[in-house]
Amino acid sequence: DTAVSQTPKYLVTQMGNDKSIKCEQNLGHDTMYWYKQDSKKFLKIMFSYNNKELIINETVPNRFSPKSPDKAHLNLHINSLELGDSAVYFCASSQDQAVRSYEQYFGPGTRLTVT
Amino acid sequence: GNSVTQMEGPVTLSEEAFLTINCTYTATGYPSLFWYVQYPGEGLQLLLKATKADDKGSNKGFEATYRKETTSFHLEKGSVQVSDSAVYFCALTTSNTGKLIFGQGTTLQVKP
Repeated sequence: DTAVSQTPKYLVTQMGNDKSIKCEQNLGHDTMYWYKQDSKKFLKIMFSYNNKELIINETVPNRFSPKSPDKAHLNLHINSLELGDSAVYFCASSQDQAVRSYEQYFGPGTRLTVT
Repeated sequence: GNSVTQMEGPVTLSEEAFLTINCTYTATGYPSLFWYVQYPGEGLQLLLKATKADDKGSNKGFEATYRKETTSFHLEKGSVQVSDSAVYFCALTTSNTGKLIFGQGTTLQVKP
């Protein structure tokens, strides 16, 4: 039973299109995150939500918009896709973001390729 | 600002060799430190963690000790296996937002 799942696993699209990536966790966690991993494997946080409330919003273009319909889901919508958006996007969750020792559980990733 | 620096990879070892992956950090406040591992084609998973100075995290034969005096959290394993081939990430968090700051990752390849 997958703890953090993402769909789709692969996404190939053209520049200018709009796309969404979905994330769901069945761990009962309060906090969810989106990370971007570039071609050199560098990971950077983009957003986090706690109980549907935005907690972290890093310097990310406005074309990226997270949406959390409930605490088990955090979706990422990307408008007007650009070549530089090509990356692997990871969703993660943790029990409570305020407790620094809690681990984050990561999904399998979504590889986005913009052509 | 807060940052994590890992040794450059890739690291290539023979099976049963000793592994060290260096990690140093810069942080305001008192960070919690983590090692995450990413196996090919998968997401990250926690390998071990330490939350205060001199704590030793350990799991699956891997160990790392939180050294405040040298701001380091080096990962070690006495005898690596082919199945340990993966990318290893050192990370820290200092805030109550859960924001993890990652090092650049170190690719480990273990040959039989």
